[in-house]
This record gives sequence, C-alpha cells and structure tokens, in this order.
Amino acid sequence: EPEVTQTPSHQVTQMGQEVILRCVPISNHLYFYWYRQILGQKVEFLVSFYNNEISEKSEIFDDQFSVERPDGSNFTLKIRSTKLEDSAMYFCASSYGRGDAFFGQGTRLTVV
Amino acid sequence: KQEVTQIPAALSVPEGENLVLNCSFTDSAIYNLQWFRQDPGKGLTSLLLIQSSQREQTSGRLNASLDKSSGRSTLYIAASQPGDSATYLCAVKTGANNLFFGTGTRLTVIP
Repeated sequence: EPEVTQTPSHQVTQMGQEVILRCVPISNHLYFYWYRQILGQKVEFLVSFYNNEISEKSEIFDDQFSVERPDGSNFTLKIRSTKLEDSAMYFCASSYGRGDAFFGQGTRLTVV
Repeated sequence: KQEVTQIPAALSVPEGENLVLNCSFTDSAIYNLQWFRQDPGKGLTSLLLIQSSQREQTSGRLNASLDKSSGRSTLYIAASQPGDSATYLCAVKTGANNLFFGTGTRLTVIP
C-alpha cells in the first residue's frame, strides 16, 4: 500500500542551526502538507503546497520556515535558526485532491 | 477560527465493550471530517473520512457519524479490543485545504 515516507525519524540539533526535514509523498498525489505537534498539544497546520507553490500557510509558518519540492518526488521543510520551541513532531501529509490526507510517521525534532 | 474539541480526553474500558468518542467543531461550514488513530510516538493513521454531504461512514467495527448543523461527530467502536488502545483524533477540513485537529481521546482497552 502506498505510504508517505519521512526522514529522519529523529533529529537532534543545536539552537540556531538549520534543519531540513524530508518527505516522499504518495506518487500520484497533488497536494502536500506539513503539520507539527508539540508534545501534549494539538496537531497544527503549517503549510500546504500545490502546483509547485505554497497554497496556504498558517501564522506559525513565518520567515523561519520554507518548503521546496526540489526534484518532483521529495518535499522538504527547512527551518532556519532553530529555537527551543521548534521542538516537536513534524508530520508530512499528501492528498490527491481535497479528500483523504495520508500522513507520514513523523520526524521528531529536538532542539537543544 | 475553527475550534475542534474532543470529549472525553481519556477513556478506559474493558475488552469487548462498545464505546463512543465525541468530537465537536465550532464552524459548521466544513468540507469533510476525518478520524485518525495515533499510537504513542507514531504517525497518524486515517480511519474514516466523512464528506460534508454524508451522515455516516463504516469500516469494520468502526462507525463515524456526522451532524454538520450541530457541529458534532461521533466515532463508535464495537466490541473493543486491546489493540484498539491508542489516541483517536478528529480533524475537520474547511474551505481552506487544511485540517483543524482536536486534542484527541486517549483510549485504553483493558484485557
């Protein structure tokens, strides 16, 4: 069964460093998303991407964040100058249309 | 802004019992509603999706209902099993193509 794949599963980084989280969405899907879940809190929407551009973003997704689909298969989230409060589980998701969203297993980011 | 609430926050039941999880949302103008399962430290597994025009969806022992006008959904789990132990998340999609999640119900099924 097709699935969304995220790497790495766990990343530890020092405060102020840049990190790139990687995702391979389901191959025929057209919409791609990043969500995050701070420990003990709700899953929160960050950004959606369609037709090679950002279609929507939340207020969380500020200039510190960027997304890219560099090669037609990977979908990346870059976080510049990480802060302690960026520590969270980051989920990538994809969907064909506006229906079912399929989520990856997540990348646990720990900023120390 | 859409707010999604799930009650109860935690539920513990003996194996074999039927149970109902509740989800409510503040803005009834939704596109669809999705129920997910999350195991500790893991990703989100989609269980059921109900379109705004539908009243319910069924998959195996799971049945989800939607009352859009009152802003409510329920997830019914029949004949619960220890393997059903997980956190169940409700999420709604509005006109914007993103999901608003509830805080979840942590279910424990006791053998």
